[in-house]
Amino acid sequence: GENVEQHPSTLSVQEGDSAVIKCTYSDSASNYFPWYKQELGKRPQLIIDIRSNVGEKKDQRIAVTLNKTAKHFSLHITETQPEDSAVYFCAASIGAAGNKLTFGGGTRVLVKP
Amino acid sequence: SAVISQKPSRDICQRGTSLTIQCQVDSQVTMMFWYRQQPGQSLTLIATANQGSEATYESGFVIDKFPISRPNLTFSTLTVSNMSPEDSSIYLCSVPGRTRGAEAFFGQGTRLTVV
Repeated sequence: GENVEQHPSTLSVQEGDSAVIKCTYSDSASNYFPWYKQELGKRPQLIIDIRSNVGEKKDQRIAVTLNKTAKHFSLHITETQPEDSAVYFCAASIGAAGNKLTFGGGTRVLVKP
Repeated sequence: SAVISQKPSRDICQRGTSLTIQCQVDSQVTMMFWYRQQPGQSLTLIATANQGSEATYESGFVIDKFPISRPNLTFSTLTVSNMSPEDSSIYLCSVPGRTRGAEAFFGQGTRLTVV
């Protein structure tokens, strides 16, 4: 089955700096790659996603890139703010209705003011 | 996104007992999913709840331990049976997004502590 590796497990950045989280996946059939943000005690919230027919997607301060050949994708957060502090999860799935998701291990991001 | 109501939000249970978690969605969905999030860990898919047929379980999860019901297209339950402290986790239901289908949205989760 699919295996998703996520790095780093923790990331501390200064407010205003950029944060980058990287994930690799094993199943070349995976075609949908969402990113979730989970604040303490809350449910995971979808923040951005990308499909395999796209190499990059941006939404304000966050962007995701996908390299299908290398089977890796990354989340980029620019101009980080304290409210960006949370745990971020990448995931991968197959198929249009594929929210049978395989998650990465998570990255705890701390933005220091 | 769909409105997902999950109950209870938290519970403390004695070992050896069972707890049934409910997930109600405000619209019909073909598939519902149950995930487990152990303390400080990532999310792991337990099973896919299929309406009108048995749930499909992932490796490492069995029906006797995690029986699932899916009586209609808006509701599902997950039971955690014969609980032990190792079952202490957050259990989350998930449904597809309305517009594009591939996104997964989560209920608020059930924080289970087994003592």
